[in-house]
Amino acid sequence: DSGVTQTPKHLITATGQRVTLRCSPRSGDLSVYWYQQSLDQGLQFLIQYYNGEERAKGNILERFSAQQFPDLHSELNLSSLELGDSALYFCASSVDSGRTDTQYFGPGTRLTVL
Amino acid sequence: AQKVTQAQTEISVVEKEDVTLDCVYETRDTTYYLFWYKQPPSGELVFLIRRNSFDEQNEISGRYSWNFQKSTSSFNFTITASQVVDSAVYFCALSEFYAGNNRKLIWGLGTSLAVNP
Repeated sequence: DSGVTQTPKHLITATGQRVTLRCSPRSGDLSVYWYQQSLDQGLQFLIQYYNGEERAKGNILERFSAQQFPDLHSELNLSSLELGDSALYFCASSVDSGRTDTQYFGPGTRLTVL
Repeated sequence: AQKVTQAQTEISVVEKEDVTLDCVYETRDTTYYLFWYKQPPSGELVFLIRRNSFDEQNEISGRYSWNFQKSTSSFNFTITASQVVDSAVYFCALSEFYAGNNRKLIWGLGTSLAVNP
């Protein structure tokens, strides 16, 4: 158990809908990262937050957004969902964005868009 | 550009065999970090090891060992006396600078290891 929690574990929804994925980092970790893992594109970095502020952006679509709250938990919002958004979404956390800290991953949320 | 290549897409071995998973990376950074993660069939990503570019000592942890060779830009992972529980997808990752002093991970595509009884 990495100490990173993600909810829900599974999510099934329809095209065009909007969903919110939630992540709680390990105690003491200030950075949160979101990743998407699909069969055809491997593990893709989406976005990173550090202590409430956006720090780095990867291949995140405009239909997706994220935020990190004062209690350091983070939410990833996916809107206007398409079939291709079906994937495993991971959250990871680390202590400090300024150094190369190890990222510890949550169990993931498996999103299925029908 | 920085990238990580795991040339072996799938490997299948019989229990108790030794197996080496290859990882070759490219970077222009002089200071960088390399990682290995394991993703078992249950889906979670489990951290295995972190190595910085100034530490070329090989590391051993039980049946796992890692061989870091800067000269060939490789960071290979060997499982000795493999077990069925080692069946998983293994990812190699490289850190890169992003926006000042921040780093993000660049991931290989993973090697799927099947250990058969």
